[in-house]
Amino acid sequence: QVQLVESGGGVVQSGDSLRLSCAASGFRGYGMHWVRQAPGKGLEWVALIWYDGSNTYYGDSVKGRFTISRDSYENMVYLEMNSLRVEDTAVYYCARDVGYFPNWSFDLWGRGTLVTVSS
Amino acid sequence: QSVLTQPPSVSAAPGQWVTISCSGSISNIGSNDVSWYQQLPGTAPKRLISENTKRPSGIPDRFSGSKSGTSATLAIAGLQTGDEADYYCGTWDSSLSVWVFGGGTKVTVL
Repeated sequence: QVQLVESGGGVVQSGDSLRLSCAASGFRGYGMHWVRQAPGKGLEWVALIWYDGSNTYYGDSVKGRFTISRDSYENMVYLEMNSLRVEDTAVYYCARDVGYFPNWSFDLWGRGTLVTVSS
Repeated sequence: QSVLTQPPSVSAAPGQWVTISCSGSISNIGSNDVSWYQQLPGTAPKRLISENTKRPSGIPDRFSGSKSGTSATLAIAGLQTGDEADYYCGTWDSSLSVWVFGGGTKVTVL
């Protein structure tokens, strides 16, 4: 079955670290993204890792604090989040991209995992 | 402030037609393909349109996309109560090297 399943969310304090995981099944070799949505707000793109892990890109609000990585053998994508802030509180979605750079679209989404950062 | 500008809300009666605009710049919409996403309450986003105008398999032909210059538009024909959702446009920004979403548009069926 083709699907994405996120895990690793929870409640942490400001300044803490957390690692999110995204388990992909039914496919391999796609570019993968993290997208987040703060409570009651719109979608915010967080990070991208190419299909082969050769390139990564980050949104300005997380650059230098978050790191995206992948384990192609285990078919997993990770988001290492450091120096967490209250404003990082959001549902974090893992998404697959299809198409040729940079004309992608996100055709497969996970159900998301909630990260709550308290002060 | 989102790089892509969408109206916060649109509304229409069942059976009517609505359009949602997405305005950007030469470095994003003007250079790259736009996709559209529907987010029903409490669920993950779902892709409606890819590459400006293409409807993936399973998406009703009531949904259509277009692009002209630095703007894109999503049209929903024959509005149904099940279409009440938030809709987002998105594309790559070649100057910023980031993906950008519009702020989202809430569609209400009167």
